Amino acid sequence: GAVVSQHPSWVICKSGTSVKIECRSLDFQATTMFWYRQFPKQSLMLMATSNEGSKATYEQGVEKDKFLINHASLTLSTLTVTSAHPEDSSFYICSAMGLASFSTDTQYFGPGTRLTVL
Amino acid sequence: AQSVTQPDIHITVSEGASLELRCNYSYGATPYLFWYVQSPGQGLQLLLKYFSGDTLVQGIKGFEAEFKRSQSSFNLRKPSVHWSDAAEYFCAVGPLSGGYQKVTFGTGTKLQVIP
Repeated sequence: GAVVSQHPSWVICKSGTSVKIECRSLDFQATTMFWYRQFPKQSLMLMATSNEGSKATYEQGVEKDKFLINHASLTLSTLTVTSAHPEDSSFYICSAMGLASFSTDTQYFGPGTRLTVL
Repeated sequence: AQSVTQPDIHITVSEGASLELRCNYSYGATPYLFWYVQSPGQGLQLLLKYFSGDTLVQGIKGFEAEFKRSQSSFNLRKPSVHWSDAAEYFCAVGPLSGGYQKVTFGTGTKLQVIP
């Protein structure tokens, strides 16, 4: 149990375009999903927390109009980077918590998405 | 505010040697503590966690960690390191509140294993 997938695993886009990243919990229902950003050789920085069916809660300093988060179902959350610029290039990781006994108090992480904006 | 300190940025050990990765936390109440491992270009995998009870916690891949309240520490140990253990290790602390859990991660310790 506790498998979380992300798609795509890497993406390259042109400056000004939008990119959508999907995060899926494959074997449990994720009531809460988290989106992190990780810069090279640094720790994870929490961007936002989303509960299924509710608006995401963004961390201070994170632009909610730029990083759109949707958590429409108990197995899927999406992060859309709108009008991406080179400074948005980073490694984006999602995690999930849910209803299954192994997931109520522990975050399980996806494999990450490498975004490169040219 | 909660915080986590991993004082060692980089550690090198010989294969077969023992390992201890340090983690110190700051939190106002009994914390929830985690150790995760991240291989290059990958997400994080949970090694072990501590919520309550026995202060010595066993995890996957032969890892264990000991919670010491008096020292505000949660050090990760392994008696004999394998080359495949080379990765980055993150300690994390968090409360359980409001139905979801917001954790704070340390800056990580990169482990290099030499033959």
